[in-house]
Amino acid sequence: ETGVTQTPRHLVMGMTNKKSLKCEQHLGHNAMYWYKQSAKKPLELMFVYSLEERVENNSVPSRFSPECPNSSHLFLHLHTLQPEDSALYLCASSQGTSFSYEQYFGPGTRLTVT
Amino acid sequence: GQQVMQIPQYQHVQEGEDFTTYCNSSTTLSNIQWYKQRPGGHPVFLIQLVKSGEVKKQKRLTFQFGEAKKNSSLHITATQTTDVGTYFCAGSGAGSYQLTFGKGTKLSVIP
Repeated sequence: ETGVTQTPRHLVMGMTNKKSLKCEQHLGHNAMYWYKQSAKKPLELMFVYSLEERVENNSVPSRFSPECPNSSHLFLHLHTLQPEDSALYLCASSQGTSFSYEQYFGPGTRLTVT
Repeated sequence: GQQVMQIPQYQHVQEGEDFTTYCNSSTTLSNIQWYKQRPGGHPVFLIQLVKSGEVKKQKRLTFQFGEAKKNSSLHITATQTTDVGTYFCAGSGAGSYQLTFGKGTKLSVIP
């Protein structure tokens, strides 16, 4: 499945580093999402973009900064992260933000903060 | 806020046995979606239920949405090793487009 791609697939960074996660969808969708998946926790929605406009920010710390330059690309800029931010970061897209649309997930970026 | 509880957290079954996972919401849902995540993989959409009391089937998988639209279940008949993975339910509350995911049920199938 190559509908939603994410790079890098694995990332190890120190607490003082700055890095970015990239997501690209090839499905012609209008909505894109960032989720955090930690062990033993539900998928946590972080950000929602609809037509490049942020429509949801679920009280995510400012050390996570999203960017959506167009409807096909989504970035998550990371800086001064904490070890508890280590997790699988999943990008998803859907046709729109209506609840009736299914979401297509990318393979994720496995992030380790040391 | 809206919560979606899913049980059991883990289930080990012998190949050929049936499996059921249950999803319960603290509030009435507009819809419920089910996803499957294989080990090392990402969630993949399985199905969506919208109507009260709705039942949908996909081969050996049967999905139900409760009459009150606050609970749902996924039943797999005669499990196979290819069914291994974590099954997530996700629902949207009335007036919300945000999907709230359950913690998932991790299914192991012993050949």
